[in-house]
Amino acid sequence: RKEVEQDPGPFNVPEGATVAFNCTYSNSASQSFFWYRQDCRKEPKLLMSVYSSGNEDGRFTAQLNRASQYISLLIRDSKLSDSATYLCVVSRSGTYKYIFGTGTRLKVLA
Amino acid sequence: GAGVSQTPSNKVTEKGKYVELRCDPISGHTALYWYRQSLGQGPEFLIYFQGTGAADDSGLPNDRFFAVRPEGSVSTLKIQRTERGDSAVYLCASGAGEAGELFFGEGSRLTVL
Repeated sequence: RKEVEQDPGPFNVPEGATVAFNCTYSNSASQSFFWYRQDCRKEPKLLMSVYSSGNEDGRFTAQLNRASQYISLLIRDSKLSDSATYLCVVSRSGTYKYIFGTGTRLKVLA
Repeated sequence: GAGVSQTPSNKVTEKGKYVELRCDPISGHTALYWYRQSLGQGPEFLIYFQGTGAADDSGLPNDRFFAVRPEGSVSTLKIQRTERGDSAVYLCASGAGEAGELFFGEGSRLTVL
């Protein structure tokens, strides 16, 4: 079993739709959680960190469920420019080794 | 430049050859990471450095892969006796050494024929 698992998609959604991705992690000692965005043939870039209480940044909301060991990303009012691959990233307590999931591809359609 | 710089951006080599990939991190960043990414996959962890020392090299696939960071800044990933399966984009990232944002370079695309 992979340490970080994501549904690879693609998720095809119309503009304006709300879409949500989940990511599960296997190591209960995981401590830090992030969502990165990667455009086609580009490097990954941080989208947002995920805090225990959940956090929001504009149209994006991230949540953490430690009991079930998953994090989620919700995108409201999808834009064409949101089309990308969204990577879930986890690191364990006491280490700065960041493990990436496979990524979930999102295509927002006009 | 202000960002992470990787060279070469593209490298084509023949099976069995030796390859070096270079990463110049953001100035002042103590942590430096190497990842490998194949098509349709997420970045696969290889190794990370805190300063000059390798803090975790558990992702290096075998002893053909080696990385150094002798002065705590620039790092070189070295691959001996390359195989076709080594073909991938090799990404370097740097960070401030705390749990936080990683800044990636544009990657070095390695093709082994």
